[in-house]
Amino acid sequence: EDQVTQSPEALRLQEGESSSLNCSYTVSGLRGLFWYRQDPGKGPEFLFTLYSAGEEKEKERLKATLTKKESFLHITAPKPEDSATYLCAVHPSGGSQGNLIFGKGTKLSVKP
Amino acid sequence: NAGVTQTPKFQVLKTGQSMTLQCAQDMNHNSMYWYRQDPGMGLRLIYYSASEGTTDKGEVPNGYNVSRLNKREFSLRLESAAPSQTSVYFCASSARQGVGEQYFGPGTRLTVT
Repeated sequence: EDQVTQSPEALRLQEGESSSLNCSYTVSGLRGLFWYRQDPGKGPEFLFTLYSAGEEKEKERLKATLTKKESFLHITAPKPEDSATYLCAVHPSGGSQGNLIFGKGTKLSVKP
Repeated sequence: NAGVTQTPKFQVLKTGQSMTLQCAQDMNHNSMYWYRQDPGMGLRLIYYSASEGTTDKGEVPNGYNVSRLNKREFSLRLESAAPSQTSVYFCASSARQGVGEQYFGPGTRLTVT
């Protein structure tokens, strides 16, 4: 069964304290892995797409990486405005009708 | 360029009432989706439309119907609302089904009493 697991469920950081969020996946084949940011009361906002192991994408303080079994979202010197829930999703190449499978998210809080 | 828009933003229904959630996108995308998001459950796909004129069931379709009105619009109907349908509903779109990222609307928060 295709599955996406995110850890930790919640993460509290001090401003400037770098860390990483994990997304591990079990799928029959991977068409793509996606990271989203979701603020309270809002819809998910697209951040990155990764397609193959070894690929990396960066945007401001965020850097996403991909291996054959997991993806990391590295947050360097976070600021309070980075506080949000970060969602990971995968597109399996087989089964699930090719639709996205989402993890439950990591809620990040950055304190000043 | 508004992206994906949804109406209404909030709705309260009594058990047994019906309603339609509206979604529109202006990105000329072919595929559209309806999800529900519940605490501790993550986003779950209700229905999707790979292209204009087609609709298919997702993971949790029971109690819902959809209509792909045209390329821009995709509506979700609850015929007889139940408390278990209390949730936040998101519409999303993508250039093609099964390929690339999806873009989400702001959501509709529905409470069924």
